[in-house]
Amino acid sequence: DTAVSQTPKYLVTQMGNDKSIKCEQNLGHDTMYWYKQDSKKFLKIMFSYNNKELIINETVPNRFSPKSPDKAHLNLHINSLELGDSAVYFCASSQEVLAGREQYFGPGTRLTVT
Amino acid sequence: AQSVTQPDIHITVSEGASLELRCNYSYGATPYLFWYVQSPGQGLQLLLKYFSGDTLVQGIKGFEAEFKRSQSSFNLRKPSVHWSDAAEYFCAVGPYDYKLSFGAGTTVTVRA
Repeated sequence: DTAVSQTPKYLVTQMGNDKSIKCEQNLGHDTMYWYKQDSKKFLKIMFSYNNKELIINETVPNRFSPKSPDKAHLNLHINSLELGDSAVYFCASSQEVLAGREQYFGPGTRLTVT
Repeated sequence: AQSVTQPDIHITVSEGASLELRCNYSYGATPYLFWYVQSPGQGLQLLLKYFSGDTLVQGIKGFEAEFKRSQSSFNLRKPSVHWSDAAEYFCAVGPYDYKLSFGAGTTVTVRA
């Protein structure tokens, strides 16, 4: 049973296109996250939702828009893709975020913008 | 604010040898500390965590870590590495403002 799943695993697209990445967790967690991992493996938090409420919104271009239709899903939509958006995007989830619970990560979506 | 430093960017170790990865953190209160491993092309997997209690924490895959408050460290160890331990290792501390802070990672290469 996959705990945190993401689709697609690979995404190759051209500059200027709009694309979405989907994330689902079946752990019953109340908090979900999007991270961007660059080519140097550095992990940067982008967004987080707790019970469908946005709680983290880092300095991210407004071309990136998260959407959480319910506690089990957090999608990431990216408009007008740029070369610099190429990275691996990870979804994660946790329970009771303020209690410092561990985060569980999805397998990642490798986005390549050409 | 919180931060994590992993001083070693890359470590090469022989199979069967011991491994120690360093992690230093900055945090205003008692931290929650984590070690994650990322195998090539995979997501991050939690190896172990420290919240409170015994400062020596056992994790999966034969890893352990020791919390030393006086040194603000949470170093990861394994007595005998296997070729499958070649991966990227991340230390993390939190939460602060709902976030975990991740270190820059240490790449472990295992030679035969």
